Parts: sequence; structure tokens; C-alpha cells
Amino acid sequence: KAGVTQTPRYLIKTRGQQVTLSCSPISGHRSVSWYQQTPGQGLQFLFEYFSETQRNKGNFPGRFSGRQFSNSRSEMNVSTLELGDSALYLCASSLGVTDYNEQFFGPGTRLTVL
Amino acid sequence: TQLLEQSPQFLSIQEGENLTVYCNSSSVFSSLQWYRQEPGEGPVLLVTVVTGGEVKKLKRLTFQFGDARKDSSLHITAAQPGDTGLYLCAGGVIGTYKYIFGTGTRLKVLA
Repeated sequence: KAGVTQTPRYLIKTRGQQVTLSCSPISGHRSVSWYQQTPGQGLQFLFEYFSETQRNKGNFPGRFSGRQFSNSRSEMNVSTLELGDSALYLCASSLGVTDYNEQFFGPGTRLTVL
Repeated sequence: TQLLEQSPQFLSIQEGENLTVYCNSSSVFSSLQWYRQEPGEGPVLLVTVVTGGEVKKLKRLTFQFGDARKDSSLHITAAQPGDTGLYLCAGGVIGTYKYIFGTGTRLKVLA
């Protein structure tokens, strides 16, 4: 079956702009989690959606938001971009019905903020 | 704040050597997952361990979950260049559907 897909793969924006990233989970998976990965901070949890509801949230400012659609596809939005938002943004899908369901990651979106 | 510390941070070894990577925390986790990530790609799940004391073997890789479910180790026997990558552990936060990732171990296996 198809894996997790993320679009776009690469994005270049300037400070102050906003960006929307998209994630399509594995068919049948209802949970989508988003992570930010940087060399200095590693992989940090942004938020998790399950059946269109945000179920968990990490410690990121309100400029980072997300949503999930009825087909489980998810989008992440970052407004008023800052240089420090440059990172690899990863989404992961899972069944989401137990707290040890396996996560499967997409290839990521590489965001560069100039 | 829950933290997962991995050691060592960097490891460069010759092909054929054995190695162990550690993942430690003061928190109890519902599960522990190990991933390998290659440059420009997302992490790929290697294994999930759920029960304290559990040991899982995957060919040359052996994973162990600590009895108290606070720590884990990954042992690679006879490392090969194809094992090169960033190894990440991730702990499931009990009662949530959230995972905390470790700081990562960057492994390079030289031919």
C-alpha cells in the first residue's frame, strides 16, 4: 500500500510570509502527527490530529497551526515566518487507537526561510 | 518535561565491529520505538517494544526495553556500511498518542 506523502518536498519563503504544508497518510490511518526537525533541536513534536480533532499539542507558538480533513489528510500552516522556522517538517501517520501504535513517516518538506 | 537522552551522539566504526546505542530517560513510557533516518528522508521504523524487559531481534539488530520501561538499547552485530545513518529512539507518552524523540545517534560505518 502507498506510504505517507508530503507536498511540497522543498519550499523557499521569506520572513513574514506564511506557508501551508500538506500530508496524506497511509490509507486507513486516522492519526497524523507533525514534527519539526532541525540540527540543533532534533525532532520536536508539533501536534497530532485524529478524526479531524487536535488531540495533542507540543510547545510551539500559535503561529503554527494545523487541521485534518474527513479523509484524514492534514495540513500544517505557519504564519509570519521567521528565520528560525527553517527546518525539515515531517508528518507521521498511524492507526492512532492505542498509545503504542507504530508511526510511519513521510519524506518531509524542507522549508527554507530567507 | 520528558527527555530522552541518546548516547553516544556520534559513532564512527569499521565494518564488522559491534556497537550499542543507548536511550535513557527518567520517565516511564508506554512503548519505545527505534528509527533509522537517512539524509533527505523521513525516519523509517525499525522496531516497537512495548513490554518491560522485552528483547527483539531483527537480523543483526537487537533491541531491548528496560524492565522499568525508562530506557532502551540497540545493539548492532558486525556493522555494515549500509547501517550508516541517524538512529532515533522515540518514547510513547503514557495516556496520550504523543511520542518524544531522543537526541539521535549518528552512525558511520566505514568499509
